[in-house]
Amino acid sequence: EAGVAQSPRYKIIEKRQSVAFWCNPISGHATLYWYQQILGQGPKLLIQFQNNGVVDDSQLPKDRFSAERLKGVDSTLKIQPAKLEDSAVYLCASSWGDRGYEQYFGPGTRLTVT
Amino acid sequence: TQLLEQSPQFLSIQEGENLTVYCNSSSVFSSLQWYRQEPGEGPVLLVTVVTGGEVKKLKRLTFQFGDARKDSSLHITAAQPGDTGLYLCAGRGDDKIIFGKGTRLHILP
Repeated sequence: EAGVAQSPRYKIIEKRQSVAFWCNPISGHATLYWYQQILGQGPKLLIQFQNNGVVDDSQLPKDRFSAERLKGVDSTLKIQPAKLEDSAVYLCASSWGDRGYEQYFGPGTRLTVT
Repeated sequence: TQLLEQSPQFLSIQEGENLTVYCNSSSVFSSLQWYRQEPGEGPVLLVTVVTGGEVKKLKRLTFQFGDARKDSSLHITAAQPGDTGLYLCAGRGDDKIIFGKGTRLHILP
């Protein structure tokens, strides 16, 4: 069974530029999550999708971050414009159910904002 | 705001020793998960505990959920270099998924 795929693996941009990350979840997983993991900390949930609907986006900085999950499969997370404090690893995860149990994570995208 | 506090933050021990790491909260969780994360990779699920007092074993790893479902522990017997990594606990609280900051474990050969 293929795991969660993410791209790119690494990205370096200057502040005020835009960036987009892509995630392909495990086939059949209805729930998709985007997390931000700052160095030395645990992952912080940014947004949770159930199929193509948003379940929780309370911690998503909506003035600069946006995410979509068209057709309930792949998802993209965008930052526009980026700030220095956005430097982090962005993790995508998926699961069968919507309660957050047994999440399968992708390898993440390491973003550096200079 | 619900928090999951993990201790210790860092632990470095010799191969063959035993160790316990903790995940504590003042809030009740319906379940807790433990993950291990290695550098450059995403977290990998180790176990989910659901019932207060529950004990689960995964080879040399023993996980326990507190009776009140506010805390959990992970005990490793005879640690091996392959156990090195960041151990994260996670739970759903206030209808929001939260992670602890993790315990960074280093096993010296």
